[in-house]
Amino acid sequence: EAQVTQNPRYLITVTGKKLTVTCSQNMNHEYMSWYRQDPGLGLRQIYYSMNVEVTDKGDVPEGYKVSRKEKRNFPLILESPSPNQTSLYFCASSLGINHEQYFGPGTRLTVT
Amino acid sequence: AQTVTQSQPEMSVQEAETVTLSCTYDTSESDYYLFWYKQPPSRQMILVIRQEAYKQQNATENRFSVNFQKAAKSFSLKISDSQLGDAAMYFCAYRSPNAGNMLTFGGGTRLMVKP
Repeated sequence: EAQVTQNPRYLITVTGKKLTVTCSQNMNHEYMSWYRQDPGLGLRQIYYSMNVEVTDKGDVPEGYKVSRKEKRNFPLILESPSPNQTSLYFCASSLGINHEQYFGPGTRLTVT
Repeated sequence: AQTVTQSQPEMSVQEAETVTLSCTYDTSESDYYLFWYKQPPSRQMILVIRQEAYKQQNATENRFSVNFQKAAKSFSLKISDSQLGDAAMYFCAYRSPNAGNMLTFGGGTRLMVKP
């Protein structure tokens, strides 16, 4: 089944403790991205990647890192999480730049 | 930068009735794409309908249709014969051909369907 998977689905952590949220797609998509969803703000793009080893900032990149060493994986790294990064995070992928994006199931992150 | 505004935080509709969700956007571009996404309680983001700005004809997908007014920068979603399963958050989104594949989302409208 074609899908985007994220792990973990739920995470509660403390300020400053490094964490990684994984994202994987099995559709051989070139484009992948991360969004965060906050009430009243919709989804905002954090980072995106057009292909392996090619990443760029979205609208709200501060406090996040990403890497794209393999085509199927696009992990989101929070080196030193803070409470303002408490949010719902979505990974998305698409075949290319002008193609429909497929979203993962979301990761609910709480930073205390 | 483009902005997308959904002025209705919440809407409700009676089952089998019709409801229209509003969306306006701000852009200086002439070519772009607009989308409506549905997010049910499962949190999954589901594409409902898309519209290319260069197409004058309004997109339709079964019970879902849009009213695209390019000059007014308005993109409303009409849901006909509303069903209980339509209850969800609905997000309007804009995609520029010049910004990679980034989607700019509105703040969302929560739709409640009354039996």
